[in-house]
Amino acid sequence: DGGITQSPKYLFRKEGQNVTLSCEQNLNHDAMYWYRQDPGQGLRLIYYSQIVNDFQKGDIAEGYSVSREKKESFPLTVTSAQKNPTAFYLCASSMWGRMYGYTFGSGTRLTVV
Amino acid sequence: AQTVTQSQPEMSVQEAETVTLSCTYDTSESDYYLFWYKQPPSRQMILVIRQEAYKQQNATENRFSVNFQKAAKSFSLKISDSQLGDAAMYFCAYNSGNTPLVFGKGTRLSVIA
Repeated sequence: DGGITQSPKYLFRKEGQNVTLSCEQNLNHDAMYWYRQDPGQGLRLIYYSQIVNDFQKGDIAEGYSVSREKKESFPLTVTSAQKNPTAFYLCASSMWGRMYGYTFGSGTRLTVV
Repeated sequence: AQTVTQSQPEMSVQEAETVTLSCTYDTSESDYYLFWYKQPPSRQMILVIRQEAYKQQNATENRFSVNFQKAAKSFSLKISDSQLGDAAMYFCAYNSGNTPLVFGKGTRLSVIA
């Protein structure tokens, strides 16, 4: 079955560490996205990519980095520069175009310890 | 920048009754898409319904329907015959041009047996 897979489901980070969240899709979607979800804040866009080897910053990109070397993969690195990384992270994919809804992964819960 | 506002952080409904969730948005575009997503306790995001702005007819999906008022920039979701499985966070989202989805902050719906 086609879908989008996020791993790990839970991740713990020590202060000063970089961590990478994985996102893989086999839907042949062009575009991929990373959103951060905090209580009462809805979903806020971190980064998105329309095509391989290209990506754009979203509203809250500071302290995060991404790569898009393959169409299927869009990993997110949470760097030590992100001062408040504890949150729920959602990856999504879609065909590029405003009429398409997104397919979401099951999310990664990141906690700073 | 486009914004999406959900003015009801929490709502509740009796099982088998009808409930309406509100959403307003701000845009200068004439052609766009609007979406409602459901996020149950599993936190998996599920597309509920989609509305194309140039279509005057309101979208319907089984027990879910929308009231789309383009001039008022309003896009409410009506859930009929509410079921316990409808309990979730509901997010309204907007998409136009080549920009990613913009989400509201969500409405938490409780269903009372």
